[in-house]
Amino acid sequence: DVKVTQSSRYLVKRTGEKVFLECVQDMDHENMFWYRQDPGLGLRLIYFSYDVKMKEKGDIPEGYSVSREKKERFSLILESASTNQTSMYLCASRVQLRAANYGYTFGSGTRLTVV
Amino acid sequence: DQQVKQNSPSLSVQEGRISILNCDYTNSMFDYFLWYKKYPAEGPTFLISISSIKDKNEDGRFTVFLNKSAKHLSLHIVPSQPGDSAVYFCAASATGTASKLTFGTGTRLQVTL
Repeated sequence: DVKVTQSSRYLVKRTGEKVFLECVQDMDHENMFWYRQDPGLGLRLIYFSYDVKMKEKGDIPEGYSVSREKKERFSLILESASTNQTSMYLCASRVQLRAANYGYTFGSGTRLTVV
Repeated sequence: DQQVKQNSPSLSVQEGRISILNCDYTNSMFDYFLWYKKYPAEGPTFLISISSIKDKNEDGRFTVFLNKSAKHLSLHIVPSQPGDSAVYFCAASATGTASKLTFGTGTRLQVTL
């Protein structure tokens, strides 16, 4: 089975700090994604990456950046954490296929609290 | 602009009965639909999917129905079990859109004894 590992389950950071959320997958998947989950808003796409060193903005990229230096690792960076970035962050990966008919494998999530 | 909507934030069903979760979408380019289940403090896990060339897909207790003309899909769980209590997300994708999934807002299902 594909495993997607997020380095931290819970994080508490101060406003203004630079925050790194790490995600590693072990099945050589090309595509990786970062979502955040908020009550009443569902899962919203922050950034995604087709392959190494490639990145694309999702629906809510403001205040975030990403890094994909190696195929297995996709990092989400909060440049200057703010309280409205308190959320559950979910990383996912999938194989690059021509058709859309293949879903994601998610990590367990990182619950980030910014105080 | 919420392209995938789940209008019921919560649903309570008795054990053994049918659970019906609904999802509506607005983007006519969506051609593949998935349901994910999420327990607290865990990532979502894939449950069942359906291609737009079908109107029904069944997997054990879970059946997904797609009505393309109404841009509506539903997930039926029969019979419902207490372990089905979770948040269910509907998701959709369109071929050629870089594999992105667009998720709904989720429905919390509570299966009571």
